[in-house]
Amino acid sequence: KAGVTQTPRYLIKTRGQQVTLSCSPISGHRSVSWYQQTPGQGLQFLFEYFSETQRNKGNFPGRFSGRQFSNSRSEMNVSTLELGDSALYLCASSIEQYTEAFFGQGTRLTVV
Amino acid sequence: AQSVTQLDSQVPVFEEAPVELRCNYSSSVSVYLFWYVQYPNQGLQLLLKYLSGSTLVESINGFEAEFNKSQTSFHLRKPSVHISDTAEYFCAVSGSSNTGKLIFGQGTTLQVKP
Repeated sequence: KAGVTQTPRYLIKTRGQQVTLSCSPISGHRSVSWYQQTPGQGLQFLFEYFSETQRNKGNFPGRFSGRQFSNSRSEMNVSTLELGDSALYLCASSIEQYTEAFFGQGTRLTVV
Repeated sequence: AQSVTQLDSQVPVFEEAPVELRCNYSSSVSVYLFWYVQYPNQGLQLLLKYLSGSTLVESINGFEAEFNKSQTSFHLRKPSVHISDTAEYFCAVSGSSNTGKLIFGQGTTLQVKP
């Protein structure tokens, strides 16, 4: 059974640009969550989608957005990139809420 | 609001020694508890979970954790560590008030020395 797949693995962008990250969940998983990991702030929840609906959102500015497609694949978008957006972005999928989440390898975003 | 505190940022230990990584959580509602491990430049791997039932949960690679409701703790233990256990460990909690959201502790780096 394939795991959670995130693309791309590495990304370098310039301040002010926008970026789109992709996540393919484990087959049959309908919940997809996104997290930002930085050395200073640790792991912080961005948002969670279930059956194409955003059910929960973390405390991030509106520049961070996401969506989920009918096949459960998800994308997150960050517009007007700032240096502080440099981080490892992790996607996780689960069958339902309150069950264990399985994480992808992450996308390492560097903003220069 | 729920929170998770991992009491040690770094734990150095010699190979084959026992180890305990401490985790406390705060919540007034039913919780689900997890330990994840992260190796360098990797995502998070689920180590073990407590959803309900027996308060002692075990992983396939020798780790165990005990859910203690009265002390709001979920400490991770291993009786004998290996060099390959060197990694960062995260305790996480979710609950009925946080749909699909995991709240993580700051992580504990386990450094196993030969």
